[in-house]
Amino acid sequence: AAGVIQSPRHLIKEKRETATLKCYPIPRHDTVYWYQQGPGQDPQFLISFYEKMQSDKGSIPDRFSAQQFSDYHSELNMSSLELGDSALYFCASSTKGQGAREQYFGPGTRLTVT
Amino acid sequence: QKEVEQNSGPLSVPEGAIASLNCTYSDRGSQSFFWYRQYSGKSPELIMSIYSNGDKEDGRFTAQLNKASQYVSLLIRDSQPSDSATYLCAVNTGNQFYFGTGTSLTVIP
Repeated sequence: AAGVIQSPRHLIKEKRETATLKCYPIPRHDTVYWYQQGPGQDPQFLISFYEKMQSDKGSIPDRFSAQQFSDYHSELNMSSLELGDSALYFCASSTKGQGAREQYFGPGTRLTVT
Repeated sequence: QKEVEQNSGPLSVPEGAIASLNCTYSDRGSQSFFWYRQYSGKSPELIMSIYSNGDKEDGRFTAQLNKASQYVSLLIRDSQPSDSATYLCAVNTGNQFYFGTGTSLTVIP
């Protein structure tokens, strides 16, 4: 079965640079969620999109922005990167048709800011 | 107070034993409850979902939900070394999804 695809899998950036993470949801899933997970931490919800519109917002810094495109893929744009942004970034997808919104996670992008 | 609380562990059980993982949540309006398994450096993998009071069994896994007590649990029967991982409890409240900090489980051969 097709899963959530994220790219790149690893990314190394320097402070103050920008980064763009991409997420391709499971086919026919209309909702995308972004999470940030630091070492030893639980996943922290950043932002979600449903049908290309922002659905909910969590602890996403103002330096970050995201959008969902017409083909339902999503991009997380991160600017003025800081050392503390180093983390695993997960994308998850679900479909409202499932009602309970079971989320399926992608493999993640490991971002290292030096 | 966090929305979802779990004992961080570590929890160690011998191979073949029953592992019991617990989770409490703060919002009585929460609708859906999930257990994810996460290996180190990997993404969370959905293993169980439960929406109504009672037990739900899937293979060696049983999820238990008690909305009155705001309590969710996961039982793993016949624990295997491959079950060693961090188990995350997640709760869906409105449009938000809240995770606990996870319980680290080690199954000793």
